[in-house]
Amino acid sequence: DSGVTQTPKHLITATGQRVTLRCSPRSGDLSVYWYQQSLDQGLQFLIQYYNGEERAKGNILERFSAQQFPDLHSELNLSSLELGDSALYFCASSVGFPVSSGANVLTFGAGSRLTVL
Amino acid sequence: DAKTTQPPSMDCAEGRAANLPCNHSTISGNEYVYWYRQIHSQGPQYIIHGLKNNETNEMASLIITEDRKSSTLILPHATLRDTAVYYCIALTGGTSYGKLTFGQGTILTVHP
Repeated sequence: DSGVTQTPKHLITATGQRVTLRCSPRSGDLSVYWYQQSLDQGLQFLIQYYNGEERAKGNILERFSAQQFPDLHSELNLSSLELGDSALYFCASSVGFPVSSGANVLTFGAGSRLTVL
Repeated sequence: DAKTTQPPSMDCAEGRAANLPCNHSTISGNEYVYWYRQIHSQGPQYIIHGLKNNETNEMASLIITEDRKSSTLILPHATLRDTAVYYCIALTGGTSYGKLTFGQGTILTVHP
């Protein structure tokens, strides 16, 4: 158990639907990161939050949105789902110090497997 | 963040040392080298990181060349459970808030 909790573990839904993936970071971690891993692609960075604020954005589609709540858990919302959105979605957390030095180790959750039929 | 280059695949016999190379010739002075691995469909797992000095922990050793242009991850006694994709990532500490950009990595297969 990495300490990063993701729910649900598996989700099957239909095209056009909307789903929400949830992530609880490790205790003490302020940063949350979302990654997507499709069968034919590697790990793609989607978005990062630090202490409730968006800090970095990757290749996240406009149909996707995320937020980090005051209790530091995060949700990734995927809407108007398409077949190509079927993937593993990983959440990671880190302390995420906003300083000019120091390493920053990410701890990943077990992922949420989304299947769009 | 500096680009890293890794061989696409490597094999290793169980019980032997696995030496995984990584080239990061454009690395800057404040960029750390991180290694993560992903065992089939599981979440990536942190292994080790370093800046200038060689590092060792309970999982592996990291050897960084003096010019910092390359590094080697060493799994001293590989087991079948070490079969995974290994990612080498160069990342500036702190200011970017630490998002990792994963490349294709090296598929390490440990054989009995």
